[in-house]
Amino acid sequence: GAVVSQHPSRVICKSGTSVKIECRSLDFQATTMFWYRQFPKKSLMLMATSNEGSKATYEQGVEKDKFLINHASLTLSTLTVTSAHPEDSSFYICSARVGGIKETQYFGPGTRLLVL
Amino acid sequence: AQTVTQSQPEMSVQEAETVTLSCTYDTSESDYYLFWYKQPPSRQMILVIRQEAYKQQNATENRFSVNFQKAAKSFSLKISDSQLGDAAMYFCAYKYGNQFYFGTGTSLTVIP
Repeated sequence: GAVVSQHPSRVICKSGTSVKIECRSLDFQATTMFWYRQFPKKSLMLMATSNEGSKATYEQGVEKDKFLINHASLTLSTLTVTSAHPEDSSFYICSARVGGIKETQYFGPGTRLLVL
Repeated sequence: AQTVTQSQPEMSVQEAETVTLSCTYDTSESDYYLFWYKQPPSRQMILVIRQEAYKQQNATENRFSVNFQKAAKSFSLKISDSQLGDAAMYFCAYKYGNQFYFGTGTSLTVIP
């Protein structure tokens, strides 16, 4: 199956700093990637849809200036949490879409962010 | 609006037995995809099974099978011969266009 990597797996940062999370599709090209946030024992909350070469589409209530998404190539999307605060602490998951007859999403292993 | 409902927050099954997880969804579309994903304690989301709505035949993947009832908008997952490694959160998902919608999940416990 398709493999998606995510880096870092966990990060601790001070309040006010920015954190970048990378999502890579290792063995396939993905024109569309998704970024989710997951709270403990809850479902995935879609934050934004990242399209290669164009601006990301953010879900209602997600601050685009705080969560910067860049999908610079067909295998890499990045999420930057700017001026992070403790309430941004969460588990962030990316996924990459495979279209066509094998339509599905493949997920990265997630990044645990803790803002002190 | 598309919604996905998993009415069983928690389920348990004896090892080697069979368990069925329920999922219903709401849509006015006729051509879409349905998925079951597994999230073990590692929190890595793993694709379990996929069903295309235009296919009447139920998808199967080894011990995992679905009961897809399109008219009833129901998509249940059956796990046969349950194993300890099946213990996880299971999420049902619906896809139309470029959007995926997830249910709230069912936590499955496998009892040795």
